[in-house]
Amino acid sequence: DAMVIQNPRYQVTQFGKPVTLSCSQTLNHNVMYWYQQKSSQAPKLLFHYYDKDFNNEADTPDNFQSRRPNTSFCFLDIRSPGLGDAAMYLCATSSPLAGGLTDTQYFGPGTRLTVL
Amino acid sequence: SQQGEEDPQALSIQEGENATMNCSYKTSINNLQWYRQNSGRGLVHLILIRSNEREKHSGRLRVTLDTSKKSSSLLITASRAADTASYFCATDSNTGKLIFGQGTTLQVKP
Repeated sequence: DAMVIQNPRYQVTQFGKPVTLSCSQTLNHNVMYWYQQKSSQAPKLLFHYYDKDFNNEADTPDNFQSRRPNTSFCFLDIRSPGLGDAAMYLCATSSPLAGGLTDTQYFGPGTRLTVL
Repeated sequence: SQQGEEDPQALSIQEGENATMNCSYKTSINNLQWYRQNSGRGLVHLILIRSNEREKHSGRLRVTLDTSKKSSSLLITASRAADTASYFCATDSNTGKLIFGQGTTLQVKP
């Protein structure tokens, strides 16, 4: 089945130790998103790739970076995780019509990041 | 700033009852979507309703949209324990991206 896969599902890292979260998709969608979701809060968009074009949200900390080596894979790098970065990280994809970003998004199961 | 706000924040009902959740938003939209999130999981798309539509159905789900009041409602009929989840509305913003509301946590008691 076509889907969005995130690995690992649970990640524990130490304060300041770089960590990479991965996302892959078999939907062949051209847009991939990374969201941060803290407990009982709405998902917050960090950035997205439209094909190879990277689009950073203005309030996304520099500590967060992303790579998209090909259509199927996208990575979230947290260079120096702080305690405040502990959250669920959600990857999503879409194949928007007419160049917009507001059609249906397909989410992976998320990676729960714990920072010790 | 937040585009969609949901009401109530939490809802607890008995199995078989109907559940209604509301979403209000601030600026004009092209479409509004509803998503479900089971605890510790990703979001699952439920329904997308466009600004020129007033009502949409999908199985036990009914979504209405009132653009004059800038509000939408999600009705789940004949609820089941498996409907226990958080439900989020999402609207498109003037930047062309989805903005999610804070969500309604629904508990359906068997």
